[in-house]
Amino acid sequence: GAVVSQHPSWVICKSGTSVKIECRSLDFQATTMFWYRQFPKQSLMLMATSNEGSKATYEQGVEKDKFLINHASLTLSTLTVTSAHPEDSSFYICSARDKITEGYTFGSGTRLTVV
Amino acid sequence: SQKIEQNSEALNIQEGKTATLTCNYTNYSPAYLQWYRQDPGRGPVFLLLIRENEKEKRKERLKVTFDTTLKQSLFHITASQPADSATYLCALELASGYALNFGKGTSLLVTP
Repeated sequence: GAVVSQHPSWVICKSGTSVKIECRSLDFQATTMFWYRQFPKQSLMLMATSNEGSKATYEQGVEKDKFLINHASLTLSTLTVTSAHPEDSSFYICSARDKITEGYTFGSGTRLTVV
Repeated sequence: SQKIEQNSEALNIQEGKTATLTCNYTNYSPAYLQWYRQDPGRGPVFLLLIRENEKEKRKERLKVTFDTTLKQSLFHITASQPADSATYLCALELASGYALNFGKGTSLLVTP
């Protein structure tokens, strides 16, 4: 089935620095990639929808200048957390639709800790 | 407001029994309802999808029912095994290709 590879699995960064998270679709082309954030004991919350070759669509309350999304190819979408602060510490996950199962394939997630 | 509610308390059952998890929603008209499994520190894994015009779907030991009048889905795992222990997420898809809206999930613990 469709596989989405997400890196890094975890990252610790200092407050004020930027972190880039990559998601690659390994055996299919993902024209759309979704980025979610999950806080402990909470549901996955959609942050933005990334479309290949165009600007991402951000959900209300998500700062587009802070969470930069790039989807320059059909197999790669990146999320950059700029000027990270401790409140940005969370679990970030990407996903893309599997056209065969009609379900969604998720990356393994990135645990971001900002100190 | 829109809500997706799953059993908030953890579900503990004995191996071999059937686990039944509930998903209720309000102010949504989903085209699809999906169930995912999530293990600690991992991304969700797709299990089953059921369409708005379907009543029931089965896959191996899994069964999903969907009642659009009650706005409820039930997720059953028969002959449960300790390896089934995980958090199970209900997700609504308003139309094909749209982002998923997730419930908080129900934690299932299957003991030997």
